[in-house]
Amino acid sequence: DVKVTQSSRYLVKRTGEKVFLECVQDMDHENMFWYRQDPGLGLRLIYFSYDVKMKEKGDIPEGYSVSREKKERFSLILESASTNQTSMYLCASSYDFEGITEAFFGQGTRLTVV
Amino acid sequence: KQEVTQIPAALSVPEGENLVLNCSFTDSAIYNLQWFRQDPGKGLTSLLLIQSSQREQTSGRLNASLDKSSGRSTLYIAASQPGDSATYLCAVGVISNFGNEKLTFGTGTRLTIIP
Repeated sequence: DVKVTQSSRYLVKRTGEKVFLECVQDMDHENMFWYRQDPGLGLRLIYFSYDVKMKEKGDIPEGYSVSREKKERFSLILESASTNQTSMYLCASSYDFEGITEAFFGQGTRLTVV
Repeated sequence: KQEVTQIPAALSVPEGENLVLNCSFTDSAIYNLQWFRQDPGKGLTSLLLIQSSQREQTSGRLNASLDKSSGRSTLYIAASQPGDSATYLCAVGVISNFGNEKLTFGTGTRLTIIP
């Protein structure tokens, strides 16, 4: 089975801190994604990556950056955490095979910024 | 811009009933459509994937259909059980400017099965 692992289930950080959210997948998938999920807004794409050292902005990239130094690892960085970044963060990976693309998600990280 | 809508936002049905969850999308040029389940405080579990060339997919008590021309998908759950209680999300895959797929999600339907 595909496994996407996020390093923390729950995090509490202070305003202004630099925060790292880590995601690792074990199936050699090319594509990796970071979403945030908020009540009433659904999942919104923050950043995605289709290859090592490659990154592209999603729909809401402001206040975030990402790093993909190795194929299996995709990190989300909050340069200076703010209270409006309190949210559930979900990492996903996917592969493309003969026209089939299926996404697999991690268990989520609930981040609270105080 | 692709928009995905799921109605109703919440649904409660007695155990044993068959039910249908709806998903609509505004741009029919999709790559595929995927249904997910999310339990409270957890990540998403993939249920069914329908490629754009397909009309439906089945897995156990679940059947998902796709009508690209009308911009609709349905998820049919037969003989519902309390363990089916969860939020169900649909996501449509579109091809990005880089030739790879990215997903756009609906806001989900929170399903409660009443024992």
